[in-house]
Amino acid sequence: EPEVTQTPSHQVTQMGQEVILRCVPISNHLYFYWYRQILGQKVEFLVSFYNNEISEKSEIFDDQFSVERPDGSNFTLKIRSTKLEDSAMYFCASSDSIVFRTGELFFGEGSRLTVL
Amino acid sequence: KNEVEQSPQNLTAQEGEFITINCSYSVGISALHWLQQHPGGGIVSLFMLSSGKKKHGRLIATINIQEKHSSLHITASHPRDSAVYICAVVFGNQFYFGTGTSLTVIP
Repeated sequence: EPEVTQTPSHQVTQMGQEVILRCVPISNHLYFYWYRQILGQKVEFLVSFYNNEISEKSEIFDDQFSVERPDGSNFTLKIRSTKLEDSAMYFCASSDSIVFRTGELFFGEGSRLTVL
Repeated sequence: KNEVEQSPQNLTAQEGEFITINCSYSVGISALHWLQQHPGGGIVSLFMLSSGKKKHGRLIATINIQEKHSSLHITASHPRDSAVYICAVVFGNQFYFGTGTSLTVIP
């Protein structure tokens, strides 16, 4: 069964360092998403991406964050200068249709980021 | 913004019991998703609803658009159903998540 894969599964970094989280969505999917979940809190939407550009982003997704699809298979989330409060589990998801119409979301297993 | 409330927050059931988890939201939506988060953290999509009712195996999800309310039912619950169940609504092209309901099914 096709799946969304994320790397790394866990990354520990020092405050102020840049981090790149990688995702390989399901190959025929067109819509890509990043979500995060701070430990003990609810999942939060960060950004959606379609046709090589951001289609929606939340208030959380500020200038420290960026996304790109560099090679047609990977979908990356970059945090430029990490802060302690960026420590969270980051989930990538993909869908073959606009989610609010018909699409089922397929999630990766998550990348746990710990900022020290 | 859309406020999403789930109840109960925690639920413990005996194996075989019928379980109901509720979700209410504050503003009209285009779709609602029920998700299951395993103890290891991975998330699986269970249902996407825009109206009516859907059934998949022992799981049933309903939505009442007028009342801004959805329920997830599990019939004949089993210990492997133990997980966090999350309601997420699609509003204005964004997702808004509930805090989740932690379900433990005891053998």
